[in-house]
Amino acid sequence: EVQLVESGGGLVQPGGSLRLSCTASGFTFSDQYMDWVRQAPGKGLEWVGRSRNKANAYITEYAASLKGRVTISRDDSGNSLYLRLISLQTDDTAVYYCVKERAASTFEIWGQGTMVTVSS
Amino acid sequence: SYVLTQPPSVSVAPGKTARITCGGDTIGRKSVHWYQQKPGQAPVVVIYYDYDRPSGIPERFSGSNSENMATLTISRVEAGDEADYYCQVWDSSSYHWVFGGGTKLTVL
Repeated sequence: EVQLVESGGGLVQPGGSLRLSCTASGFTFSDQYMDWVRQAPGKGLEWVGRSRNKANAYITEYAASLKGRVTISRDDSGNSLYLRLISLQTDDTAVYYCVKERAASTFEIWGQGTMVTVSS
Repeated sequence: SYVLTQPPSVSVAPGKTARITCGGDTIGRKSVHWYQQKPGQAPVVVIYYDYDRPSGIPERFSGSNSENMATLTISRVEAGDEADYYCQVWDSSSYHWVFGGGTKLTVL
């Protein structure tokens, strides 16, 4: 079964940082483009960024609104994707989803999401 | 940056046809993907590459894309179709994925 499981969410103080993990199973992780998407409470979907696969040199691309604060990395040997976000503010409060792309296109598989709350 | 515009809400009676639009500058030149999100759940792709349907998605769901508007059409709407729907494209000029603001479909 193809599955993505996020972890690492929780309460973070303003100005702090977060590191989320996503563990993949059921497919060849190293072949896939992987993304992070977030959704603030009651709001729409916001693309955070993407990690291309090994064949494409693991190139990362980030949302302009987050550039400078966000880093996406991956460990193909552990079938894991990571998201690091620094200088957190209250508007970073959201559910963060890990997503597998289908052939570098549509978002085929989504994790269940992990909630991050930025509050003092 | 590229912008996708969706109506915030669409209402339709059961058994009727719902059309959810997604406007964007020359969107007809891009591939549009559509996602359905029910409360408390992760999104699910219902249409990809403008009109293709993943396995398991009913034939009632269809898509089209032309010039400055893409449309998700849901025929013979059922109560279970009530959800938020998002369109998505890849903006090759900025190397960004872009989502529309989402449309809440209400089944009357």
